[in-house]
Amino acid sequence: NAGVTQTPKFRVLKTGQSMTLLCAQDMNHEYMYWYRQDPGMGLRLIHYSVGEGTTAKGEVPDGYNVSRLKKQNFLLGLESAAPSQTSVYFCASSDSGGNYEQYFGPGTRLTVT
Amino acid sequence: SQQGEEDPQALSIQEGENATMNCSYKTSINNLQWYRQNSGRGLVHLILIRSNEREKHSGRLRVTLDTSKKSSSLLITASRAADTASYFCATATWNRDDKIIFGKGTRLHILP
Repeated sequence: NAGVTQTPKFRVLKTGQSMTLLCAQDMNHEYMYWYRQDPGMGLRLIHYSVGEGTTAKGEVPDGYNVSRLKKQNFLLGLESAAPSQTSVYFCASSDSGGNYEQYFGPGTRLTVT
Repeated sequence: SQQGEEDPQALSIQEGENATMNCSYKTSINNLQWYRQNSGRGLVHLILIRSNEREKHSGRLRVTLDTSKKSSSLLITASRAADTASYFCATATWNRDDKIIFGKGTRLHILP
């Protein structure tokens, strides 16, 4: 099992460009999450999904969109990147929401210039 | 807004000593989890303690939960260099247990 994978690992964008981050899990988990991690801020939840075809807003959703068309994949989109979106992005999945452990991907380091 | 707050923010101890980190939270919880993050890596789950539990052990880890004080502690005994990492607590609240909220973490450095 690969667990949770994220692509790409690194990306540099110019302000205003768009991109999509892909998260894939092979554990048949219902719940998937996107977080961003900034220095001194811990992890903040961007969007999450409680099952295929569902999405919900987290703590810091502005400027991001997500889609969960297939159970194993969770996509995070930036339509018009801003320097404030420079961060490390982590995807996670879980069998049953907050009642069980989350499994994390290795992260994507995004720089917006 | 972050629910959990770890204390201290940073901790340096000698190899072999015990390390204790604390987490305080604000609202009633369903469970509290501890995660470890090595530099440049994703988070790894360490232990989950439910609101009706007071103490759990896993290897060299001991977690306590005091719901009356809304606090938890993580004890790592006989620390090793490989324990150098950031440690985060995360809470799932009763009315929103579809997600967890992370604190800002404690950076632990084990000195040789």
